[in-house]
Amino acid sequence: QSVLTQPPSVSGAPGQTVTISCTGSNTNIGAGWLVHWYQQLPGKAPKILIYHNINRPSGVPDRFSASKSGTSASLTITGLRSEDEADYYCQSYDSSLSVQYVFGTGTQVTVL
Amino acid sequence: QVQLVESGGGVVQPGRSLRLSCAVSGFPFSGYGMHWVRQAPGKGLEWVAVIWYDGSKKFYADSMKGRFTISRDNSKSTLYLQIDSLRPEDTAVYYCAREISSDSGSYCDSWGLGTLVTVSS
Repeated sequence: QSVLTQPPSVSGAPGQTVTISCTGSNTNIGAGWLVHWYQQLPGKAPKILIYHNINRPSGVPDRFSASKSGTSASLTITGLRSEDEADYYCQSYDSSLSVQYVFGTGTQVTVL
Repeated sequence: QVQLVESGGGVVQPGRSLRLSCAVSGFPFSGYGMHWVRQAPGKGLEWVAVIWYDGSKKFYADSMKGRFTISRDNSKSTLYLQIDSLRPEDTAVYYCAREISSDSGSYCDSWGLGTLVTVSS
């Protein structure tokens, strides 16, 4: 049972915008811990998509953006493309227990 | 370029032990913390453990404490994960990943392809 909650699925037509939420609490996102996002294409290993709340590694299209506010974070994909169909995970740190790196529950993005 | 290659997975009977390896290249292994992350079939990512760059500190997910041991050999640029008393619920793809650390939280910037562990009699 993850402490970071994401919607199980979101979908959109090509060209549309979709947003994935990552809801935490005052022991993780709300405590100021950084949020990171990963993309996992079908059958592949995860890949870092956004780090330190809002930053894109080189090579990640600027269609991907992220934000953080209070105890939540979000990932937005604008101009949705078929190759964006994947699972997306947020990740942070939770200080309520011993050292705990935590992943979100994951969101499957479907391009209609 | 950065490469992480896991090995050691397979079909194992419940109660047995297994040691996974992750051979890395393309970067100074001894300068980075390393993680193991697993993913059960059809499920999400689950953090397993982290080890400091020099092996001086190791931390585990609460649910992994006691049966999982992370270690590294910097002279061989290899990360290990020992899993004892394997259970069917340990069935998963196990990924190793390189950590980029900061005071406000770390992330994994490079991942291996994973190795599948299947626990079944």
